[in-house]
Amino acid sequence: DVKVTQSSRYLVKRTGEKVFLECVQDMDHENMFWYRQDPGLGLRLIYFSYDVKMKEKGDIPEGYSVSREKKERFSLILESASTNQTSMYLCASIRGGGTEAFFGQGTRLTVV
Amino acid sequence: AQRVTQPEKLLSVFKGAPVELKCNYSYSGSPELFWYVQYSRQRLQLLLRHISRESIKGFTADLNKGETSFHLKKPFAQEEDSAMYYCALSGGVAAGNKLTFGGGTRVLVKP
Repeated sequence: DVKVTQSSRYLVKRTGEKVFLECVQDMDHENMFWYRQDPGLGLRLIYFSYDVKMKEKGDIPEGYSVSREKKERFSLILESASTNQTSMYLCASIRGGGTEAFFGQGTRLTVV
Repeated sequence: AQRVTQPEKLLSVFKGAPVELKCNYSYSGSPELFWYVQYSRQRLQLLLRHISRESIKGFTADLNKGETSFHLKKPFAQEEDSAMYYCALSGGVAAGNKLTFGGGTRVLVKP
């Protein structure tokens, strides 16, 4: 079974802090994604990556950056956390040429 | 640009009644469409994809390119179908495998 693991289930951070959310997948998938999930807004794509060191902006990249130094790991960085970034963050991966996305368990981030 | 719209935020039906979740999309190329489901306290997971033309857990979905729709249907809803459902679109390799989701529809099946 594909496993996508997010480093934290819950995080509480202060406004202005730099925050790192980590995601690791164990099936050698080329494509990885970061979404935020908010009630009524669904899943909104923040960034995605189709290869090591490659990244593409999604629909709401402002205030975020990403890093993909190794194929299995995709990190989401909040340079200076703000309260409007309080949300559930979901990581996903897809095999190259594949279609099914596999999701992590989510990280619920609260910025106070 | 690729966009997915789910007009209903909540659908409440009685057990045994039909249920239909609407999904409309916007994409200039040839899209791949999916339905994902999230049960309470579980991860988001794939329910079905249009290219498979399969029925999963009694659900079916037909891609209508003329109406740019991919509605999800089940003739007889069960209580275990209560969940959050998301319609998703991929532009494939041509779009860098970008996967876009709709706003989601919460389905509540009442006994």
